[in-house]
Amino acid sequence: GENVEQHPSTLSVQEGDSAVIKCTYSDSASNYFPWYKQELGKRPQLIIDIRSNVGEKKDQRIAVTLNKTAKHFSLHITETQPEDSAVYFCAAILSGTYKYIFGTGTRLKVLA
Amino acid sequence: NAGVMQNPRHLVRRRGQEARLRCSPMKGHSHVYWYRQLPEEGLKFMVYLQKENIIDESGMPKERFSAEFPKEGPSILRIQQVVRGDSAAYFCASSPGLAYEQFFGPGTRLTVL
Repeated sequence: GENVEQHPSTLSVQEGDSAVIKCTYSDSASNYFPWYKQELGKRPQLIIDIRSNVGEKKDQRIAVTLNKTAKHFSLHITETQPEDSAVYFCAAILSGTYKYIFGTGTRLKVLA
Repeated sequence: NAGVMQNPRHLVRRRGQEARLRCSPMKGHSHVYWYRQLPEEGLKFMVYLQKENIIDESGMPKERFSAEFPKEGPSILRIQQVVRGDSAAYFCASSPGLAYEQFFGPGTRLTVL
């Protein structure tokens, strides 16, 4: 079955710097890769996603890149702000299925 | 359009009691998924249901756990004879169909004393 690895588990950056979180997946049939942000005690919320037919997607300060050959995808946050501090989860889903396989999460701390 | 609703938000049970967790999907969504999140860990898929049908329960423990999504009313995740290891946050998500974004509810935090 699909397996998703996520690194790093914790990440501290200075306000204004960039943050990069990386995930690798095992099943080449996976075709949808969402990223969720979870603040303490709150629900996971989708912040950006990418499908396997594109290599990059950007939404203001957030971007996701996908390398299908290497089977990895990354979340890039530029000009980080204290409110970006949260746990970020990547996920992968196999084509035609519904089962999200989540990474183990990255705790991002943006230092003011 | 109200989001995914879950109740209760917090549930405390003693070992051996039953826990019932409820999830009302977003309006127009007929697909419901339950996930469990242990402290400091990611979300683990438990079960996928459509109205009156369990489609995939491969992530749910075989014993003590059951789920349903009746024709009327919320989806229910039921845990019988709870043990301390059941303490976790249980999230449900819903989607309008397969291969669509899943929207998460606020979760139920179960504590077993």
